[in-house]
Amino acid sequence: AQSVTQPDIHITVSEGASLELRCNYSYGATPYLFWYVQSPGQGLQLLLKYFSGDTLVQGIKGFEAEFKRSQSSFNLRKPSVHWSDAAEYFCAVDSDTGGFKTIFGAGTRLFVKA
Amino acid sequence: DADVTQTPRNRITKTGKRIMLECSQTKGHDRMYWYRQDPGLGLRLIYYSFDVKDINKGEISDGYSVSRQAQAKFSLSLESAIPNQTALYFCATSDQDSYGYTFGSGTRLTVV
Repeated sequence: AQSVTQPDIHITVSEGASLELRCNYSYGATPYLFWYVQSPGQGLQLLLKYFSGDTLVQGIKGFEAEFKRSQSSFNLRKPSVHWSDAAEYFCAVDSDTGGFKTIFGAGTRLFVKA
Repeated sequence: DADVTQTPRNRITKTGKRIMLECSQTKGHDRMYWYRQDPGLGLRLIYYSFDVKDINKGEISDGYSVSRQAQAKFSLSLESAIPNQTALYFCATSDQDSYGYTFGSGTRLTVV
């Protein structure tokens, strides 16, 4: 069965520092992988997605993620964090584009300190 | 206007009451979903619909029902609300050519 693990419940980084949020998935075939961000009081917004091709994908707001099949990982990175990046981040995996098999991780809350 | 609009944004209701959460979209997407978010559990799928005549149960459909009134409208009902249905509920849309969802802003439901 598909599963998604986000090992860090919360992370605190200083403004301007680099960020990496971890995501590990379990799925037999090539998965479709997503990162979403949820700002307080808001719905989830799609940051980026991977389904084929180049394993390094660029997203909105300066985020990128790298698919590593050998490690079953899809970690989210940003070189320099801004205070406005404070939010909760969700990794998700799907087996096709239908959406009804999408599995979400439990989320990682990012705190940014000045 | 938002692409996916949920009403109400917040609701407090009593145990045993029937309540309906509404969702409308302007994306023109065929596929609509209802998710529930609980702290530490991520999002869990309640129901999904691929078109007006297609309704499917998700992971946690017990205690819920849905109605797809039109391509753009998908409502979620709690027939007899109970306290453990207190959660944040999200409506989302997608189409078969897009990868990923468009979410509404959510409805925070409290059952007392």
